[in-house]
Parts: sequence; structure tokens; C-alpha cells
Amino acid sequence: DAGVIQSPRHEVTEMGQEVTLRCKPISGHDYLFWYRQTMMRGLELLIYFNNNVPIDDSGMPEDRFSAKMPNASFSTLKIQPSEPRDSAVYFCASSPGTSGGDTQYFGPGTRLTVL
Amino acid sequence: AQSVSQHNHHVILSEAASLELGCNYSYGGTVNLFWYVQYPGQHLQLLLKYFSGDPLVKGIKGFEAEFIKSKFSFNLRKPSVQWSDTAEYFCAVNAWGNNDMRFGAGTRLTVKP
Repeated sequence: DAGVIQSPRHEVTEMGQEVTLRCKPISGHDYLFWYRQTMMRGLELLIYFNNNVPIDDSGMPEDRFSAKMPNASFSTLKIQPSEPRDSAVYFCASSPGTSGGDTQYFGPGTRLTVL
Repeated sequence: AQSVSQHNHHVILSEAASLELGCNYSYGGTVNLFWYVQYPGQHLQLLLKYFSGDPLVKGIKGFEAEFIKSKFSFNLRKPSVQWSDTAEYFCAVNAWGNNDMRFGAGTRLTVKP
């Protein structure tokens, strides 16, 4: 398996623009997670899905952020409008998901810079 | 909700020195525990994990961790570090039955050749 795939790897945009980050989880994994990593705040869980359904979005910073998972092999994280403080590395992870919790496998991340 | 503390922000060692990175968590129930490593410019990779059984867990690249339930700790160890171990190390925990994983702030390890 190719592992978790994220695109783009790097994104530079201007404040106010819409940004869409994409993720393809490992095939057969039931859980998908979106994280944000910054120097100041470390690794933060934004939202996670189980079988394409959002389970917990309490980590989403504000209404400018939205995430969807239209099917088992694709998810998007959208920021509209983007702000300079959104600059970070955004990781997607997937997990087979057992009732007890399981290992998460991370993608390479998308480095977002908002000017 | 569970939380994780990593007390060492940055550790600098010489090659062949022994390593121990501290990790404490706060949660009263059953937990799954993880150590992840992030090499410079790369994504997080699993080093080792503890779900149940022997509290001394061995992972890849010579790393091990010991779960001490009474101390709510899961410290990472390696007897002799190499320059290639330079990376950031994250401890993580999820409560059993919950896929919401919480990560510590990370410890940056620099190994001098």
C-alpha cells in the first residue's frame, strides 16, 4: 500500500483566498484524522471521521475551517478565507480502527503558508 | 479527556550516550500508549506502542519504552543513540475505546556526531 497520500505537499496563498487540502487514507482504514502542527501549539487534532462520518470536530479552530469525507478514499480540509495565522503543516492520518483504539498512520503533510 | 506531558523540550546528546525521554499522561482508565518519531522534514512514524501485556515494549531501531501504571508514565529509552536518531519524539495516548489520540508537545533530540 502507498500509505496515506496528501496533496499538495506545499501551498502558498494570499490572505483571503480559499485553500483546499486533500487526503487519501490507507485502503480499508475506517478512521481518518486531520491534524495541524505549529511551533507554538504542537500537534493538534482538528477533526476525525469514522466510516466517512465526522465524529469529533471540537478541534476545528473556527467556522473558516470545514472538512468533508464524501467517500472512504477521500477527504478534504478547506479554509475559507485563509489568514496568516493558519500557516502550519497539516497532517492527515488514518487508522484501521478497532473498538479499543489503534495505531494511526500519518501522511507526509501539507505545508501551508498564508501571506 | 486524557492529556500527555513531555517534560523535556530539547535534549542534546553525544553519540553512544544513553537516552531516556519522559512521558506522563493523565487519565484514570485503560489507555493505549504510543511513541512516534518525526525526522526533519518528514511525517510522523510509529516507533512503538503499548496496548496490553508486558509493560516493557520494544520498538524499531533499538528503542524501548516501559509502561509504569502507578506513575502514569511511558518513558522512551535507547541505550546508545546515533546521529541518525536526531528527530522530534512524540508521546501519545488514547483512552481505550476512543480513537481520539492526544499528543504531547514533543521532545527534540539532537545527537552530536
